[in-house]
Amino acid sequence: GENVEQHPSTLSVQEGDSAVIKCTYSDSASNYFPWYKQELGKRPQLIIDIRSNVGEKKDQRIAVTLNKTAKHFSLHITETQPEDSAVYFCAANNQGGKLIFGQGTELSVKP
Amino acid sequence: NAGVTQTPKFRILKIGQSMTLQCTQDMNHNYMYWYRQDPGMGLKLIYYSVGAGITDKGEVPNGYNVSRSTTEDFPLRLELAAPSQTSVYFCASSSAGGGGTEAFFGQGTRLTVV
Repeated sequence: GENVEQHPSTLSVQEGDSAVIKCTYSDSASNYFPWYKQELGKRPQLIIDIRSNVGEKKDQRIAVTLNKTAKHFSLHITETQPEDSAVYFCAANNQGGKLIFGQGTELSVKP
Repeated sequence: NAGVTQTPKFRILKIGQSMTLQCTQDMNHNYMYWYRQDPGMGLKLIYYSVGAGITDKGEVPNGYNVSRSTTEDFPLRLELAAPSQTSVYFCASSSAGGGGTEAFFGQGTRLTVV
């Protein structure tokens, strides 16, 4: 079945450094790849997404890249700030309507 | 605009009891999902629906049932609760799952089975 693998599971960076989280997916029919941020005790919220007809998308300090041939996509956060500390999830859909999430990455930004 | 609303927010069940987690959305979304999130873990898809009257199994459907009689509501039924079902349950909805649009989450239901 469909599978989404996410790495690393934890990531610690200094404030101002960049953070990169990587995901791979198994279903070649997947065409939508969102990234969610979940703060402690809160619900996941979308921070950026990318569709299969685009290779890269950027929104201020956040960017996502997609390599369809290799079936992997990555989240890049530049100039990290303490408020970026949270758990980040990648996800991939399929044509049947499923939305499968990766295992999550706990990002800690140290002041 | 309320978005996705889940009830209850918290519940303690005894082993063997049953309950229904309610989920309703007011965005006229066709796609709805139920996920469970164990402590320190990711979101696992339990069941999903692509429209009223249509449901399908996700990654971890055992021990659960769903129905989708209306576009707005997608209740999750737990029969014979077990300690392994202790988790936080999230309901989500989106306008086009296959085509790819943002999934909006409810605030979650924290369930403990003792």
